[in-house]
Amino acid sequence: QQPVQSPQAVILREGEDAVINCSSSKALYSVHWYRQKHGEAPVFLMILLKGGEQKGHEKISASFNEKKQQSSLYLTASQLSYSGTYFCGTEMRSDYKLSFGAGTTVTVRA
Amino acid sequence: EPEVTQTPSHQVTQMGQEVILRCVPISNHLYFYWYRQILGQKVEFLVSFYNNEISEKSEIFDDQFSVERPDGSNFTLKIRSTKLEDSAMYFCASSDRVAHEQYFGPGTRLTVT
Repeated sequence: QQPVQSPQAVILREGEDAVINCSSSKALYSVHWYRQKHGEAPVFLMILLKGGEQKGHEKISASFNEKKQQSSLYLTASQLSYSGTYFCGTEMRSDYKLSFGAGTTVTVRA
Repeated sequence: EPEVTQTPSHQVTQMGQEVILRCVPISNHLYFYWYRQILGQKVEFLVSFYNNEISEKSEIFDDQFSVERPDGSNFTLKIRSTKLEDSAMYFCASSDRVAHEQYFGPGTRLTVT
């Protein structure tokens, strides 16, 4: 079951904030967040396990709401380097399979 | 810093030909994966591999596909008879345990003509 990401795209000015959501209709075991720049491989940002934890990576943080089966990625005080496509990947159980959402393209402009 | 490597970076093949994509996962990792990404689309899971056998596979991973770990370092994806729709970027990834960070390789761009 593939997760649903929203929005599809967002355009920001440097210093602005954004939220990307990832939701599933099935009970999730973990949520992974990756960023992919054009022509490059996805780069791991963070993983959240069930339990409502929140994590951070520089000024990028994420939360996981187990009740809603939803994860949100927060881009705070965005920088030009934050531009790229953000994918969430979900595992429904510890089954070695990661299903990715369609991605959210983030463009940060000076 | 250890990294996943993939060869070749670009492979062009004719429809119906067999291709083998190669990956060298990070040395102490135990879980290996193949994903593909059609141009402009999302990353799609193909197969996961642990303890010398397939753990999970997607609907995409049909009888035309196979994976192998022929020695202690390489992990390969074989497509027996390529189709035009197999054209995509193929990523290999590895992790040291389940539900943990997966490190992606740089990818092999497969073009089927």
